[in-house]
Amino acid sequence: GNSVTQMEGPVTLSEEAFLTINCTYTATGYPSLFWYVQYPGEGLQLLLKATKADDKGSNKGFEATYRKETTSFHLEKGSVQVSDSAVYFCALIHVPNTGNQFYFGTGTSLTVIP
Amino acid sequence: DAGVIQSPRHEVTEMGQEVTLRCKPISGHDYLFWYRQTMMRGLELLIYFNNNVPIDDSGMPEDRFSAKMPNASFSTLKIQPSEPRDSAVYFCASSRPRTEVNTEAFFGQGTRLTVV
Repeated sequence: GNSVTQMEGPVTLSEEAFLTINCTYTATGYPSLFWYVQYPGEGLQLLLKATKADDKGSNKGFEATYRKETTSFHLEKGSVQVSDSAVYFCALIHVPNTGNQFYFGTGTSLTVIP
Repeated sequence: DAGVIQSPRHEVTEMGQEVTLRCKPISGHDYLFWYRQTMMRGLELLIYFNNNVPIDDSGMPEDRFSAKMPNASFSTLKIQPSEPRDSAVYFCASSRPRTEVNTEAFFGQGTRLTVV
């Protein structure tokens, strides 16, 4: 079946530190991969996505590369800010598939301290 | 577009009462999802619809939970009777017709339900 595994948190970093949040997936075929971010008290927002192998998604200084050989989609940012404090979710959707279900990881909480 | 709209944002109710959560998806999106988020269980898919038809309701925890989508612009999630363990944040999300390039889900702000 399809599933997403991401590193457990919480993660606490100092401002301007380098961030990596690991995400690996299990899926048949070629899923599309996503990172969502959830700020306190809000819904999930799409941060970036990649639809095929070797694609790199990027947004707001965050990047993730779709690695089919390692079934991974790790999130990185070179210099985090306090405003990046949030919960980050890795997700996949398998296209084509019999349904349209999104599979989410458990989320990784990030706190950036000044 | 205003995005996915959920109401109410907060709901406090007494155990045993009926609770109805509402969702208006983004116009043109033909998939609608209901999720529940708790600290213990994370983000759980409860049910999703395609063109107003329920496709997979295997995540609905009990018969106390029911969901409807009478038209393309409105869906409800009902809990009757409610119990304290139903306390959670409930999210509605919608997505476009399934293609390779634009399948991301758009989430509402959520309804925080507290059952006392």
